[in-house]
Amino acid sequence: GAVVSQHPSWVICKSGTSVKIECRSLDFQATTMFWYRQFPKQSLMLMATSNEGSKATYEQGVEKDKFLINHASLTLSTLTVTSAHPEDSSFYICSATRQQETQYFGPGTRLLVL
Amino acid sequence: AQSVTQPDIHITVSEGASLELRCNYSYGATPYLFWYVQSPGQGLQLLLKYFSGDTLVQGIKGFEAEFKRSQSSFNLRKPSVHWSDAAEYFCAVGARAGTASKLTFGTGTRLQVTL
Repeated sequence: GAVVSQHPSWVICKSGTSVKIECRSLDFQATTMFWYRQFPKQSLMLMATSNEGSKATYEQGVEKDKFLINHASLTLSTLTVTSAHPEDSSFYICSATRQQETQYFGPGTRLLVL
Repeated sequence: AQSVTQPDIHITVSEGASLELRCNYSYGATPYLFWYVQSPGQGLQLLLKYFSGDTLVQGIKGFEAEFKRSQSSFNLRKPSVHWSDAAEYFCAVGARAGTASKLTFGTGTRLQVTL
């Protein structure tokens, strides 16, 4: 149990376009989902916390207008990178909680902006 | 604010040898503590967690970790390493709160296993 999926697993896009990444909890209802960004050979940086039916809470320094997060149901959260630029290229990972304490992570989405 | 320190960036061990990965945390109260493992290009898999109770916790794949409050440590151990254990290991601390806990990760320790 506690399986989290992400789609797509990798995406290449042109600079200026928008990209949507989906995060799904497959076998449990997740009241809270988190979005992280990971640069090569570095740790995970929390971008935002997403609660079902409410606005996401963004970490300091994360542009909410650039990284749009929607948590429309208890099993789905989406991250949209708007007007993507090469510096947005990264590995994006989501996690979901079915209890308050333990986060279960998705496999990640690698974004490359040309 | 909580923080996590993993002093070892890279560790190399021989297959069959024992392993200990160090983790020190800073948090004002009793924390939630986690160890995750990440294979290249993959997400994170939970190895084990500590919330309360017995300070020696057992996880998957033969891993265990011991919470030592006096040392603010939560070191990960395995008695005999397998080549498939080569990966990146992250220690994380979660803030206890009424809502879902936010995790703060250490910088990770890359484990290399030689045959």
